[in-house]
Amino acid sequence: KQEVTQIPAALSVPEGENLVLNCSFTDSAIYNLQWFRQDPGKGLTSLLLIQSSQREQTSGRLNASLDKSSGRSTLYIAASQPGDSATYLCAVMGAGSYQLTFGKGTKLSVIP
Amino acid sequence: ETGVTQTPRHLVMGMTNKKSLKCEQHLGHNAMYWYKQSAKKPLELMFVYNFKEQTENNSVPSRFSPECPNSSHLFLHLHTLQPEDSALYLCASSQEQTSPTDTQYFGPGTRLTVL
Repeated sequence: KQEVTQIPAALSVPEGENLVLNCSFTDSAIYNLQWFRQDPGKGLTSLLLIQSSQREQTSGRLNASLDKSSGRSTLYIAASQPGDSATYLCAVMGAGSYQLTFGKGTKLSVIP
Repeated sequence: ETGVTQTPRHLVMGMTNKKSLKCEQHLGHNAMYWYKQSAKKPLELMFVYNFKEQTENNSVPSRFSPECPNSSHLFLHLHTLQPEDSALYLCASSQEQTSPTDTQYFGPGTRLTVL
Protein backbone atom coordinates (compact mmCIF):
# COMPACT_ATOMS: atom_id res chain seq x y z
CA LYS A 1 0.00 0.00 0.00
CA GLN A 2 1.39 3.39 -1.01
CA GLU A 3 2.31 5.74 1.82
CA VAL A 4 3.27 9.37 1.41
CA THR A 5 5.15 11.25 4.11
CA GLN A 6 5.77 14.97 4.26
CA ILE A 7 8.42 16.60 6.40
CA PRO A 8 8.26 18.94 8.21
CA ALA A 9 4.63 19.00 9.36
CA ALA A 10 4.90 22.74 9.95
CA LEU A 11 7.41 25.40 9.01
CA SER A 12 7.70 29.07 9.89
CA VAL A 13 10.10 31.32 8.00
CA PRO A 14 10.69 35.07 7.65
CA GLU A 15 9.67 36.74 4.42
CA GLY A 16 12.25 36.56 1.66
CA GLU A 17 13.77 33.23 2.64
CA ASN A 18 14.16 30.34 0.25
CA LEU A 19 12.72 27.09 1.56
CA VAL A 20 12.37 23.42 0.76
CA LEU A 21 9.48 21.09 1.51
CA ASN A 22 10.05 17.36 1.41
CA CYS A 23 7.89 14.46 0.29
CA SER A 24 8.67 10.74 0.26
CA PHE A 25 6.68 7.78 -1.00
CA THR A 26 7.08 4.05 -0.51
CA ASP A 27 6.09 2.60 -3.91
CA SER A 28 7.95 3.87 -6.96
CA ALA A 29 5.31 2.50 -9.36
CA ILE A 30 3.72 5.87 -10.03
CA TYR A 31 2.45 7.78 -13.04
CA ASN A 32 3.09 11.20 -11.59
CA LEU A 33 3.68 13.26 -8.47
CA GLN A 34 1.72 16.41 -7.79
CA TRP A 35 2.05 19.32 -5.40
CA PHE A 36 -1.09 21.13 -4.24
CA ARG A 37 -1.72 24.15 -2.09
CA GLN A 38 -4.63 24.38 0.37
CA ASP A 39 -5.69 27.57 2.10
CA PRO A 40 -7.60 27.27 5.41
CA GLY A 41 -11.07 25.81 4.94
CA LYS A 42 -10.67 25.76 1.18
CA GLY A 43 -10.17 23.25 -1.58
CA LEU A 44 -6.88 22.31 -3.19
CA THR A 45 -5.13 24.18 -5.97
CA SER A 46 -2.72 22.30 -8.22
CA LEU A 47 0.76 23.83 -8.29
CA LEU A 48 2.95 21.42 -10.22
CA LEU A 49 2.62 17.97 -11.80
CA ILE A 50 5.75 15.93 -12.53
CA GLN A 51 5.32 12.89 -14.73
CA SER A 52 7.25 9.78 -13.75
CA SER A 53 9.66 10.23 -16.68
CA GLN A 54 10.50 13.80 -15.67
CA ARG A 55 12.99 15.07 -13.11
CA GLU A 56 11.58 18.52 -12.35
CA GLN A 57 8.97 21.14 -13.13
CA THR A 58 9.07 24.89 -12.58
CA SER A 59 6.37 27.51 -12.26
CA GLY A 60 7.40 31.02 -11.28
CA ARG A 61 9.09 30.91 -7.87
CA LEU A 62 8.27 27.22 -7.45
CA ASN A 63 10.46 24.31 -8.50
CA ALA A 64 9.62 20.69 -7.84
CA SER A 65 11.98 17.77 -8.32
CA LEU A 66 11.31 14.05 -8.50
CA ASP A 67 13.66 11.15 -7.82
CA LYS A 68 11.41 8.19 -8.46
CA SER A 69 14.00 5.53 -7.71
CA SER A 70 14.57 6.84 -4.21
CA GLY A 71 10.93 7.77 -3.64
CA ARG A 72 11.55 11.45 -2.98
CA SER A 73 10.38 14.84 -4.15
CA THR A 74 11.15 18.35 -3.03
CA LEU A 75 9.26 21.59 -3.52
CA TYR A 76 11.54 24.62 -3.55
CA ILE A 77 9.99 28.04 -2.96
CA ALA A 78 12.21 31.01 -3.73
CA ALA A 79 11.95 34.39 -2.04
CA SER A 80 8.98 33.43 0.12
CA GLN A 81 6.11 35.90 0.62
CA PRO A 82 3.34 36.12 3.26
CA GLY A 83 0.89 35.12 0.53
CA ASP A 84 2.67 31.76 0.30
CA SER A 85 1.32 30.87 3.74
CA ALA A 86 -0.82 27.75 3.28
CA THR A 87 -0.68 23.98 3.62
CA TYR A 88 1.24 22.23 0.86
CA LEU A 89 0.18 18.72 -0.06
CA CYS A 90 2.12 16.13 -2.00
CA ALA A 91 0.28 13.35 -3.87
CA VAL A 92 1.33 10.46 -6.08
CA MET A 93 -0.78 8.77 -8.74
CA GLY A 94 -0.39 5.01 -8.49
CA ALA A 95 0.45 3.09 -11.64
CA GLY A 96 -2.51 0.94 -12.57
CA SER A 97 -4.93 2.40 -10.02
CA TYR A 98 -4.77 6.02 -11.24
CA GLN A 99 -5.67 6.99 -7.68
CA LEU A 100 -3.98 9.85 -5.85
CA THR A 101 -2.44 9.06 -2.46
CA PHE A 102 -1.85 12.17 -0.40
CA GLY A 103 0.52 13.09 2.39
CA LYS A 104 -0.69 14.94 5.48
CA GLY A 105 0.83 18.17 4.27
CA THR A 106 3.28 20.81 5.45
CA LYS A 107 1.76 23.93 6.99
CA LEU A 108 3.86 26.92 5.94
CA SER A 109 3.78 30.29 7.65
CA VAL A 110 5.75 33.15 6.11
CA ILE A 111 6.24 35.95 8.63
CA PRO A 112 6.31 39.53 7.29
CA GLU B 1 -11.41 30.53 -8.75
CA THR B 2 -11.88 26.92 -9.80
CA GLY B 3 -14.59 25.67 -12.09
CA VAL B 4 -15.85 23.29 -9.42
CA THR B 5 -18.58 24.43 -7.05
CA GLN B 6 -19.96 22.71 -3.97
CA THR B 7 -23.10 23.33 -1.95
CA PRO B 8 -23.71 23.76 0.86
CA ARG B 9 -20.43 25.11 2.17
CA HIS B 10 -21.35 24.25 5.75
CA LEU B 11 -23.77 21.62 7.05
CA VAL B 12 -24.74 20.61 10.56
CA MET B 13 -26.88 17.53 10.90
CA GLY B 14 -28.11 15.13 13.52
CA MET B 15 -27.37 11.44 13.38
CA THR B 16 -30.89 10.63 12.17
CA ASN B 17 -31.06 13.25 9.43
CA LYS B 18 -30.82 12.71 5.69
CA LYS B 19 -28.99 15.31 3.66
CA SER B 20 -27.20 15.60 0.32
CA LEU B 21 -24.02 17.33 -0.82
CA LYS B 22 -23.91 18.70 -4.34
CA CYS B 23 -20.96 19.23 -6.65
CA GLU B 24 -20.99 20.81 -10.10
CA GLN B 25 -18.10 21.24 -12.51
CA HIS B 26 -18.03 23.67 -15.42
CA LEU B 27 -14.81 22.39 -16.99
CA GLY B 28 -16.17 19.80 -19.42
CA HIS B 29 -14.47 17.00 -17.52
CA ASN B 30 -15.52 13.37 -17.56
CA ALA B 31 -14.28 12.16 -14.18
CA MET B 32 -15.51 13.29 -10.76
CA TYR B 33 -14.32 12.37 -7.29
CA TRP B 34 -15.40 12.57 -3.64
CA TYR B 35 -12.69 12.90 -0.98
CA LYS B 36 -12.91 13.08 2.80
CA GLN B 37 -10.47 15.27 4.75
CA SER B 38 -10.39 14.69 8.50
CA ALA B 39 -8.23 16.56 10.96
CA LYS B 40 -4.67 15.23 11.10
CA LYS B 41 -5.30 12.60 8.40
CA PRO B 42 -4.44 12.62 4.70
CA LEU B 43 -7.14 13.14 2.12
CA GLU B 44 -9.01 9.89 1.59
CA LEU B 45 -10.53 9.01 -1.76
CA MET B 46 -14.13 7.82 -1.35
CA PHE B 47 -15.67 7.43 -4.79
CA VAL B 48 -14.76 7.94 -8.45
CA TYR B 49 -17.07 8.32 -11.43
CA ASN B 50 -15.63 8.15 -14.94
CA PHE B 51 -18.01 8.95 -17.82
CA LYS B 52 -20.91 8.70 -15.32
CA GLU B 53 -19.97 5.18 -14.26
CA GLN B 54 -18.78 4.48 -10.73
CA THR B 55 -15.29 3.01 -10.96
CA GLU B 56 -14.06 3.20 -7.39
CA ASN B 57 -15.60 2.70 -3.96
CA ASN B 58 -12.85 2.67 -1.38
CA SER B 59 -14.63 0.63 1.30
CA VAL B 60 -16.93 3.51 2.16
CA PRO B 61 -19.77 2.72 4.62
CA SER B 62 -23.19 2.44 3.04
CA ARG B 63 -24.44 5.46 4.96
CA PHE B 64 -22.67 7.42 2.20
CA SER B 65 -24.37 7.01 -1.18
CA PRO B 66 -23.02 8.73 -4.31
CA GLU B 67 -24.97 9.67 -7.40
CA CYS B 68 -23.73 10.96 -10.75
CA PRO B 69 -26.65 11.81 -13.04
CA ASN B 70 -24.39 13.36 -15.69
CA SER B 71 -20.75 14.28 -16.18
CA SER B 72 -21.24 17.74 -14.68
CA HIS B 73 -23.01 16.86 -11.45
CA LEU B 74 -22.11 14.68 -8.49
CA PHE B 75 -24.06 14.14 -5.30
CA LEU B 76 -23.25 12.52 -1.98
CA HIS B 77 -26.33 11.39 -0.11
CA LEU B 78 -25.92 11.11 3.65
CA HIS B 79 -28.05 9.20 6.14
CA THR B 80 -27.65 8.03 9.75
CA LEU B 81 -24.16 9.45 10.00
CA GLN B 82 -21.89 9.17 13.01
CA PRO B 83 -20.00 11.98 14.77
CA GLU B 84 -16.73 10.61 13.38
CA ASP B 85 -18.04 11.39 9.89
CA SER B 86 -17.56 15.08 10.65
CA ALA B 87 -14.99 16.33 8.14
CA LEU B 88 -14.39 18.48 5.08
CA TYR B 89 -15.82 16.73 2.02
CA LEU B 90 -14.10 17.72 -1.19
CA CYS B 91 -15.26 17.18 -4.73
CA ALA B 92 -12.82 17.15 -7.64
CA SER B 93 -12.92 16.64 -11.38
CA SER B 94 -10.43 15.79 -14.12
CA GLN B 95 -10.54 15.27 -17.87
CA GLU B 96 -10.81 11.54 -17.31
CA GLN B 97 -9.79 9.12 -14.60
CA THR B 98 -7.07 7.28 -16.52
CA SER B 99 -5.01 10.21 -17.71
CA PRO B 100 -1.60 10.46 -16.01
CA THR B 101 -0.92 13.91 -17.45
CA ASP B 102 -4.00 15.65 -16.10
CA THR B 103 -4.43 17.12 -12.67
CA GLN B 104 -7.59 17.21 -10.60
CA TYR B 105 -9.49 20.43 -9.94
CA PHE B 106 -11.01 20.72 -6.49
CA GLY B 107 -14.06 22.49 -5.18
CA PRO B 108 -14.00 24.53 -1.95
CA GLY B 109 -15.50 21.69 0.09
CA THR B 110 -18.45 21.19 2.40
CA ARG B 111 -17.64 21.38 6.11
CA LEU B 112 -19.88 18.72 7.69
CA THR B 113 -20.57 18.51 11.40
CA VAL B 114 -22.56 15.55 12.75
CA LEU B 115 -24.05 16.06 16.19
